[in-house]
Amino acid sequence: EDKVVQSPLSLVVHEGDTVTLNCSYEVTNFRSLLWYKQEKKAPTFLFMLTSSGIEKKSGRLSSILDKKELFSILNITATQTGDSAIYLCAPLFTSGTYKYIFGTGTRLKVLA
Amino acid sequence: GAVVSQHPSRVICKSGTSVKIECRSLDFQATTMFWYRQFPKQSLMLMATSNEGSKATYEQGVEKDKFLINHASLTLSTLTVTSAHPEDSSFYICSAPRLAGSTDTQYFGPGTRLTVL
Repeated sequence: EDKVVQSPLSLVVHEGDTVTLNCSYEVTNFRSLLWYKQEKKAPTFLFMLTSSGIEKKSGRLSSILDKKELFSILNITATQTGDSAIYLCAPLFTSGTYKYIFGTGTRLKVLA
Repeated sequence: GAVVSQHPSRVICKSGTSVKIECRSLDFQATTMFWYRQFPKQSLMLMATSNEGSKATYEQGVEKDKFLINHASLTLSTLTVTSAHPEDSSFYICSAPRLAGSTDTQYFGPGTRLTVL
């Protein structure tokens, strides 16, 4: 059975802290993995990862994929209250057709 | 700007009525679209994959007669919640993938919040 597990489920930190969010997956015919940030409505795209060991960066956010160990991490440095959101990972894989399955999500709250 | 639109953004209906939600890709053709639902404080749950020109593929546990999906064209998929009940109240989100080798991505619609009284 295809599954995606994120940890921790929730996290409360103070502004300026660094956080690491984890995503482990077990899917057939993996193609890529996407990270999203969801605040009040639909998720917004953060990163797409296809190759192991290549870090992607966008400002204070960075992410990396390990296809051997089947996990990805999302790092946020110098957190701000605006980073408070649910962070979702979603591997893209084929099971007849292409599809995404979302992880459980990590709910991050950054306190001022 | 938005590349996937969803309509309506919010709907309140009485129990027993049917509700149709539209999902449109605005500047690209989408042979596949995905429909998700999300309960409060939970992740997105894939309900079905909508395929242009063929039947939708439903995930395990999702009633195909309850959630009718029609992929009428390369830019439009509709989800109809038939005979809605309060337990169908949820946030429904569609998405359209763009798969292009190193630039796979998935564009989400803004979502539809359904409240069944």
